[in-house]
Formats: sequence, C-alpha cells, structure tokens
Amino acid sequence: AQTVTQSQPEMSVQEAETVTLSCTYDTSESDYYLFWYKQPPSRQMILVIRQEAYKQQNATENRFSVNFQKAAKSFSLKISDSQLGDAAMYFCAYRSARGSQGNLIFGKGTKLSVKP
Amino acid sequence: DTGVSQNPRHKITKRGQNVTFRCDPISEHNRLYWYRQTLGQGPEFLTYFQNEAQLEKSRLLSDRFSAERPKGSFSTLEIQRTEQGDSAMYLCASSLVSREETQYFGPGTRLLVL
Repeated sequence: AQTVTQSQPEMSVQEAETVTLSCTYDTSESDYYLFWYKQPPSRQMILVIRQEAYKQQNATENRFSVNFQKAAKSFSLKISDSQLGDAAMYFCAYRSARGSQGNLIFGKGTKLSVKP
Repeated sequence: DTGVSQNPRHKITKRGQNVTFRCDPISEHNRLYWYRQTLGQGPEFLTYFQNEAQLEKSRLLSDRFSAERPKGSFSTLEIQRTEQGDSAMYLCASSLVSREETQYFGPGTRLLVL
C-alpha cells in the first residue's frame, strides 16, 4: 500500500523569505501523480501544484515550486517570497496513475505560519 | 464554474441519529469523491463515483455509511446510527474525466456527534 509522510508538523517563515516543506512517499508503482494542497483555517482545500511522475522537470506555479526526486521518493514544496496569505495547513498527496485507483492518499500535513 | 458545494456546512447530532450530507460537484465533472478528515490528520478516502456508478469503497466505509449519486450529478452520504467516532469533517471532491487525477474540493461538512 502507498503511504505519504510529512515529517514536519509545523513550520514557520518570515514574510518575504523562502521555506521548504518536506514530503516522502512509498510506492511500488512507476507511474503516479503527486500534489500539494493548501487548506487555510476554516476554508476549503485548494490545489497548489501537481507533478506527474513520468516528467523529470520539476513543476512550478508562480511562487511555488517542487523538488521531485523520484529515486529517493521525495517531493518537497518550496514557497518563495512568502506572504501572510500563505499561512495554512499544507498536505502532500499521492495518486496512482491506474484509472481504477481514484483516491488521493494524503500525509498528515504541515502547519505553516508566516511572521510579518 | 461555481466550484464544489456541500450542505450543510455544520451538523450537530445526538448519538444514534441518522444524518445525510449533500455534495454538488463542479458541473460536467463526472467523478465525485468522499473523504473524511479528523482533527490533525489528512483526509482519508471513503468512496468515489464515476457518473452514477460507485467504483470504489474504502474499508473505512462501514455498513452504517451509504453513498449515492442517483443521476450522476449530486451525491449524498448518509450515516446511520451515528457514533461519537463519526465526528469529523466530511469532504467532497470532483474531477474531470480528461484530468481525473486533479480533484477539486468543497468546503466540507463538519459533523459533531454528542
């Protein structure tokens, strides 16, 4: 069974600085997708960024980028120029590329605080 | 595109009562998912539909839980004989067939069983 591990329950960053959130996963599959979702307090979960395992190039979305290391099964999220609105729970998630496996498998999350 | 909506947003019930939640997916999304999230944890998969067919159920979905999507549009999740351990946030998500790997989440229904 696949598992996702986020080893940092909480992280803190100064506004305008850069922070990296860690995620490791375990799978025997070669084709899959990885995601970072953001869940602000009392608000709904929002997709931040996604990565296809077959792509070597790391995904980027504005201030958000990932460091995808397939051999190491590592998928970290880098947030540049942190803003107060980035404060939230961040969840790393895995999804098999097999069509029959519909569900996302989530880590326990990292709570990010942004200091002004 | 109005996003995924869920009703009610909050529900307080007494142990032993039945509750039903509704999820309206993004229009034209033919996959719909239910997850449960307890405090301090990431969401855990419960079940998902493709159109009206329920394709997968987690072992977390006990006999007291039933989900339907009768016309392939909105879905309902019913919990019978609620227990205190059912207290959680119930999340719904939907996705497009062409980009089924990307799921869009609703705001959730927070259930408290007293």
